[in-house]
Amino acid sequence: ETGVTQTPRHLVMGMTNKKSLKCEQHLGHNAMYWYKQSAKKPLELMFVYNFKEQTENNSVPSRFSPECPNSSHLFLHLHTLQPEDSALYLCASSPRWGPNEQFFGPGTRLTVL
Amino acid sequence: GQQVMQIPQYQHVQEGEDFTTYCNSSTTLSNIQWYKQRPGGHPVFLIQLVKSGEVKKQKRLTFQFGEAKKNSSLHITATQTTDVGTYFCAGSDGNYQLIWGAGTKLIIKP
Repeated sequence: ETGVTQTPRHLVMGMTNKKSLKCEQHLGHNAMYWYKQSAKKPLELMFVYNFKEQTENNSVPSRFSPECPNSSHLFLHLHTLQPEDSALYLCASSPRWGPNEQFFGPGTRLTVL
Repeated sequence: GQQVMQIPQYQHVQEGEDFTTYCNSSTTLSNIQWYKQRPGGHPVFLIQLVKSGEVKKQKRLTFQFGEAKKNSSLHITATQTTDVGTYFCAGSDGNYQLIWGAGTKLIIKP
């Protein structure tokens, strides 16, 4: 499945580093999402972009900064993270914003030391 | 806020046994979706239910949406090793966000 791609697949970073996660969708969708998946917890929606405009920001700490330059690309910029931010970060897209079928990328496994 | 509770957290079954996971919402849902995440993988959409009392089948999988549209279930008949993974429900109360359950992990006992 190559509809939604994410890079890198694995990332280890120190608390003082700055890194970025990248997501690209090839499905012609207009909505893109960032989720955080931690063990034994529900998927946590972080950000939603609809037609490149941010529509949701679910009280995410400012050390996470999203960027959506166009409907196909989504970035998550990371800086001064904490160890509790270690998780699987999933990108998803859907045809439009709303309770539609979402197509997920493979995720980036992030470890913060 | 709205919550979707999913039980059980884990279910161990012998291959060939049935498996069921349940989702319950604190509020009426406009629709509910089900996803499967294989170990090491990402969630993959299975189905969406919209109508009160709706039942849909996909081979050995049966999905139900309650009459009050507050609960849903996924039942797998005669599990196979390929069914291993975590099954998530995700509901919407008419707003734009999906509210996710915590998932039920299906483990096949050797």
